[in-house]
Amino acid sequence: DQQVKQNSPSLSVQEGRISILNCDYTNSMFDYFLWYKKYPAEGPTFLISISSIKDKNEDGRFTVFLNKSAKHLSLHIVPSQPGDSAVYFCAASVADSGYALNFGKGTSLLVTP
Amino acid sequence: NAGVMQNPRHLVRRRGQEARLRCSPMKGHSHVYWYRQLPEEGLKFMVYLQKENIIDESGMPKERFSAEFPKEGPSILRIQQVVRGDSAAYFCASSPWDSANTGELFFGEGSRLTVL
Repeated sequence: DQQVKQNSPSLSVQEGRISILNCDYTNSMFDYFLWYKKYPAEGPTFLISISSIKDKNEDGRFTVFLNKSAKHLSLHIVPSQPGDSAVYFCAASVADSGYALNFGKGTSLLVTP
Repeated sequence: NAGVMQNPRHLVRRRGQEARLRCSPMKGHSHVYWYRQLPEEGLKFMVYLQKENIIDESGMPKERFSAEFPKEGPSILRIQQVVRGDSAAYFCASSPWDSANTGELFFGEGSRLTVL
C-alpha cells in the first residue's frame, strides 16, 4: 500500500539547469511533507519540509511546492550542481505521528557537467 | 559530532538464525526510530522508542521482531528465526525532543541484512 508515489525512478539534468522532482500522495490525512536526500552507502539526510498549511517553502537553491487539491508536491533545485546527484525521497506524515514517515521509492537524480 | 552509529553494516544469516542490529543515537538525542527498506521499496517505519520505553510499534511485524532501547547502551532490533523475506536494509534514526513530531530525523548509514 504505497501512499507516497514517486513515478520517475530517475532524472538526468545538466549542471546549471533546474531539476524538478515530483511526488504524489493518496492519504488526505497527511499534513507534513519532507524531502530527504541519500548518497550511496549513507543514510537519508533531511533536506526540506513543508506543512500542509503552506503551498511553498524555500531554502536556498531548494524549493518545495505543495498542491493539496491535486495531492502533489514537487522539489525544485535551481541551479542544479553535480553534488546534487543523489536519490531523493519524498515522505509524508500525519499529525501527532510525525516520526512515522511514509516514504516514496525515490528518484535518482544525475546532474551532468 | 558523531552521527547515528549502526552496526554491523552488513550481516549475513542463514534461515532460522537470529539477527541483532545495534544503533547508537546522536549525542543528546533521546528518541530512536527503526525503519526497513525492502528491495525496490521506500523506507517503512517500524518502531519508535525512548529510553526503556516502546512508544509506537505499529509498523513492526507481530512475530519474530522485537526492539529495545535500554537505559544504558544502544538500541537493539532483534529478528528471530530469520526468513529470506527479512533481507533488507534496516535504518535507525534519532531525534532530539523538538524534532520528534516534525519528521526531521537523523538517519544512520543502515545495516544490510542478507538471509541465505
